[in-house]
Amino acid sequence: DIQMTQSPSSLSASIGDTVTITCRASQGISNYLAWFQQKPGKAPKSLIYAAFSLQSGVPSRFSGSASGTDFTLTISNLQPEDFATYYCQQYDSYPLTFGGGTKVAIK
Amino acid sequence: EVQLLESGGGLVQPGGSLRLSCEASGFSFRSYAMSWVRQAPGKGLEWVSDISGSGAITYYADSVKGRFTISRDNSKNTLNLQINSLRAEDTAVYYCAKLVRGDITMSFWGQGTLVTVSS
Repeated sequence: DIQMTQSPSSLSASIGDTVTITCRASQGISNYLAWFQQKPGKAPKSLIYAAFSLQSGVPSRFSGSASGTDFTLTISNLQPEDFATYYCQQYDSYPLTFGGGTKVAIK
Repeated sequence: EVQLLESGGGLVQPGGSLRLSCEASGFSFRSYAMSWVRQAPGKGLEWVSDISGSGAITYYADSVKGRFTISRDNSKNTLNLQINSLRAEDTAVYYCAKLVRGDITMSFWGQGTLVTVSS
C-alpha cells in the first residue's frame, strides 16, 4: 500500500497569512493526488485533484504543487472560513490512501 | 445541484449487519463511479470501497473485504453498502462520494451516516 505522510499535523495561523501543507508519498504516484477540506461535524469538501486542478467553485487562493513524491497545498490570504482540517489522498493505485490530516487553527 | 443523501446508519451489535444507502440526484448517476469512505470518531478518513458506473467493477479495502458489499441501482440512482459481521472498529461515519469523471478521486461528498457497533 502507498503511505501518505502529511505534515505538519497542526498549525496556527492568522487571517491573511499564507499556509503550506505538505504530503509525501511512499512511492511515485505521478500527479494522482487530491486535497480535501473538512470542518468539524461536516463532510469533507473536495478542493484539488490531479495535484494542481481546482474543483469547481474552489477559491483561487488554494493551489497545489508537486515535486517528485512531495506535494504541497498552499492557502494564500487565509480567510476565516479556511480554518479546518486538510487531508491529502493518493489515487494512483488501490487501496486509495489518505494522509493523517493537518488541522489549521486560528492563532 | 448535486446531492448525495446517505441513510441506514444506526446502532448495531457486534456481528450484526446493516445496509447503507446513498440517494443521488443532480447528475447522470450511471456515468460516474462512486465511493464509500468512513471516518471513525476523532480519526482521519479511510477509503472503504469503489464501484464503477455500470456496477461491474468493485474494489475494497482489505479491512472490509469479504464482509462489505458495494452495489448500485442505476434505475433508482442509489448506491448501497451491505455491511456484515460488524466489529467495534467499524464504528464510523460513512460517507458516499461521487468520483471525478474518468478518475478515482472524490469530487463531491454526502453528509454521512453514523454506524455504531456496540453491545
